Amino acid sequence: GENVEQHPSTLSVQEGDSAVIKCTYSDSASNYFPWYKQELGKRPQLIIDIRSNVGEKKDQRIAVTLNKTAKHFSLHITETQPEDSAVYFCAASEGYNTDKLIFGTGTRLQVFP
Amino acid sequence: DTGVSQDPRHKITKRGQNVTFRCDPISEHNRLYWYRQTLGQGPEFLTYFQNEAQLEKSRLLSDRFSAERPKGSFSTLEIQRTEQGDSAMYLCASSFGGGYTFGSGTRLTVV
Repeated sequence: GENVEQHPSTLSVQEGDSAVIKCTYSDSASNYFPWYKQELGKRPQLIIDIRSNVGEKKDQRIAVTLNKTAKHFSLHITETQPEDSAVYFCAASEGYNTDKLIFGTGTRLQVFP
Repeated sequence: DTGVSQDPRHKITKRGQNVTFRCDPISEHNRLYWYRQTLGQGPEFLTYFQNEAQLEKSRLLSDRFSAERPKGSFSTLEIQRTEQGDSAMYLCASSFGGGYTFGSGTRLTVV
């Protein structure tokens, strides 16, 4: 089955700097890759996603890149703000079944003012 | 419709008791998922439904766990003979293809 690895587990940046979180997946048939943000005590919320027919997608300060050959995808946050502090989870669909997602172990991002 | 609702928010139970959780998805969503999340980990897949049909159940799930979605709307997750290892946040999510919308979860503590 699908296995998703996420790095780093913690990341601290200064406000205004960029943050990058990386994930790798094992199933070459995976075709859907969402990212979720989970603030303390709250539900995970979808912030951006990408499908395998696209190499990059951007939404304001957030971007996701996908390298299908290497089976890895990354989340890029530019001009970080303290409110970006949260745990971020990557996920990959299990094969062609976009219904079922396998999640990474999460990255705790801290943005210091 | 304000999103995915889960009830209760918190449940404390004694080991060996049965517990049942409820999830009300977004009404237009035909897919409903149950995940379990422990501290410091990502959500772990338990099972999912398309309408009323349970399409997959995790091999990690013991026979003590059962889920239903009888009319293709709300779903229940029951854990029988709870064990301390069942303590976790149980998350429900729904979708209509694509990204999930999660509920706030039910935090289960088995004492």
